[in-house]
Amino acid sequence: EDQVTQSPEALRLQEGESSSLNCSYTVSGLRGLFWYRQDPGKGPEFLFTLYSAGEEKEKERLKATLTKKESFLHITAPKPEDSATYLCAVQENTGNQFYFGTGTSLTVIP
Amino acid sequence: DGGITQSPKYLFRKEGQNVTLSCEQNLNHDAMYWYRQDPGQGLRLIYYSQIVNDFQKGDIAEGYSVSREKKESFPLTVTSAQKNPTAFYLCASSAKQGYSNQPQHFGDGTRLSIL
Repeated sequence: EDQVTQSPEALRLQEGESSSLNCSYTVSGLRGLFWYRQDPGKGPEFLFTLYSAGEEKEKERLKATLTKKESFLHITAPKPEDSATYLCAVQENTGNQFYFGTGTSLTVIP
Repeated sequence: DGGITQSPKYLFRKEGQNVTLSCEQNLNHDAMYWYRQDPGQGLRLIYYSQIVNDFQKGDIAEGYSVSREKKESFPLTVTSAQKNPTAFYLCASSAKQGYSNQPQHFGDGTRLSIL
């Protein structure tokens, strides 16, 4: 059973068109939820850590939120340079492993 | 600048050959990880190490081996027993987990292909 599911798989936006990416998870006890950005041929770049339901973090045009069973990455007025794959990962209270989703591939068209 | 260095960037393996991927970090992190990334799949954990001279198997350890002789280094060997080694390999490190939420930081990967 997948612990982390991301949707949509791919998203195309016009420059300036705001939207949200979803990450739902099924781990029983959440130690932390992490968002990463990955450019083609590169390793994931850390963006945010969220610890508890109701928490929000912001960085430039990105805002991450967390509920008990899912997280959203909101992108406000995106620019072409925001095009990348966005990965979500969770860590359970009981272990040292991180579980990754398959990512959302975002393309922002000028 | 602190970071994680993976080498080589591209690697080719011949039939029956073992190859070793290098991962070095200067972040003073205790924990290090190896992942495999295939198209359409999430990152899958191969091995991880929380401390020098100790490591644990991840979900897909068969056909791989690791060592952790130094805190800074966590090399991965892809053995001839790994029948489908073509993938993008990512090394990561994090501060010791304990009870806090420490994110992983990644290198820029090694792309392994079969000749």
